[in-house]
Amino acid sequence: GAVVSQHPSWVICKSGTSVKIECRSLDFQATTMFWYRQFPKQSLMLMATSNEGSKATYEQGVEKDKFLINHASLTLSTLTVTSAHPEDSSFYICSARDGGGVQETQYFGPGTRLLVL
Amino acid sequence: GENVEQHPSTLSVQEGDSAVIKCTYSDSASNYFPWYKQELGKGPQLIIDIRSNVGEKKDQRIAVTLNKTAKHFSLHITETQPEDSAVYFCAAVVYGQNFVFGPGTRLSVLP
Repeated sequence: GAVVSQHPSWVICKSGTSVKIECRSLDFQATTMFWYRQFPKQSLMLMATSNEGSKATYEQGVEKDKFLINHASLTLSTLTVTSAHPEDSSFYICSARDGGGVQETQYFGPGTRLLVL
Repeated sequence: GENVEQHPSTLSVQEGDSAVIKCTYSDSASNYFPWYKQELGKGPQLIIDIRSNVGEKKDQRIAVTLNKTAKHFSLHITETQPEDSAVYFCAAVVYGQNFVFGPGTRLSVLP
């Protein structure tokens, strides 16, 4: 099946620093990638949708200046958490839609756990 | 907009028994219904999906049924094993729109 990777798998940083998370589709071209946030024992919350070569679409309540998303190629999207604060600590998961496959299917990465001290 | 409910929130079964998780959705335009399994500390993994033109789909011990009239779909796991223990999420999707996930079901398979 389609494989999506994320890097790093976990990161600890000091408050005020920026953290970049990479999401890669390894064996398919992802025309659309999604970024989710998940708090303990909760469901997935969509943060933003990114399409290759265009600006990301953010969900209501998500600060686009704080969560910078870049989808520079058909296999790579990055999420940068700028000036991170403890309340940004969470599990961040990306997913990718296979542009050459079934349109609706999303494949998820393994997630990145962020801890801001 | 679409709203997805999922029941039960937690489910414990004995190894070898069957487990059933049910989801209901509100938007009759939804036409794609995937199920994901999420193990602790990992990302969700697609285990099975079904489209609106099909009533049932099976893959070894896993099956999904869809009732479009009643707007509900269910995940069935037979002959459960300890490695089936995880959180399961359903989703309902209108073509071209974002996934709407259910709140999840924590399945525990007791040896």
